[in-house]
Amino acid sequence: AQTVTQSQPEMSVQEAETVTLSCTYDTSESDYYLFWYKQPPSRQMILVIRQEAYKQQNATENRFSVNFQKAAKSFSLKISDSQLGDAAMYFCAYRRGGSEKLVFGKGTKLTVNP
Amino acid sequence: GAGVSQSPSNKVTEKGKDVELRCDPISGHTALYWYRQSLGQGLEFLIYFQGNSAPDKSGLPSDRFSAERTGGSVSTLTIQRTQQEDSAVYLCASSPMNDPEAFFGQGTRLTVV
Repeated sequence: AQTVTQSQPEMSVQEAETVTLSCTYDTSESDYYLFWYKQPPSRQMILVIRQEAYKQQNATENRFSVNFQKAAKSFSLKISDSQLGDAAMYFCAYRRGGSEKLVFGKGTKLTVNP
Repeated sequence: GAGVSQSPSNKVTEKGKDVELRCDPISGHTALYWYRQSLGQGLEFLIYFQGNSAPDKSGLPSDRFSAERTGGSVSTLTIQRTQQEDSAVYLCASSPMNDPEAFFGQGTRLTVV
């Protein structure tokens, strides 16, 4: 079974600084997708960024970027120029290609200090 | 609205009562998921519907939990004889065909007293 591991239960960063959240996963599949979701106190899960396994180029969305290391099965999220609104729980998720369920890590709580 | 809608937003129930949680997915989305999030924890998969295929029920924690999806759209998660350990946020999500991204609702916070 696929598993997703987030080794940092909590992280903190100063406003305007950069922070990296770690995620590793275990799979024997070659076709899959990886995601980072943000969950603010409102509970709504919001997609931050996604990465298709077949793409070698790391995904980027404005201040958010990933470091996708397929051989190492690592998928870290970098947040640049951190803002107070970035404070939330961040979840890494995996989905096998085709019709399959999402598997989530246990999350990392990010605090942004002013 | 155009997003995934869940109701009720909050539900307090007495131990032993049955509860029904509703999820209205985004129109046209073929896949629908239910997850449970206990306090301070990650998301625990419960059940997954994909089109007309048999649902993946592998995450349901006990036979007190069941879910159905009528007409390929609205889904209801039913918890019978609720226990205090059932207290959690229940999240629903949906995905379109051929797109792995899941869109989440705001969840139902269930409190069993």
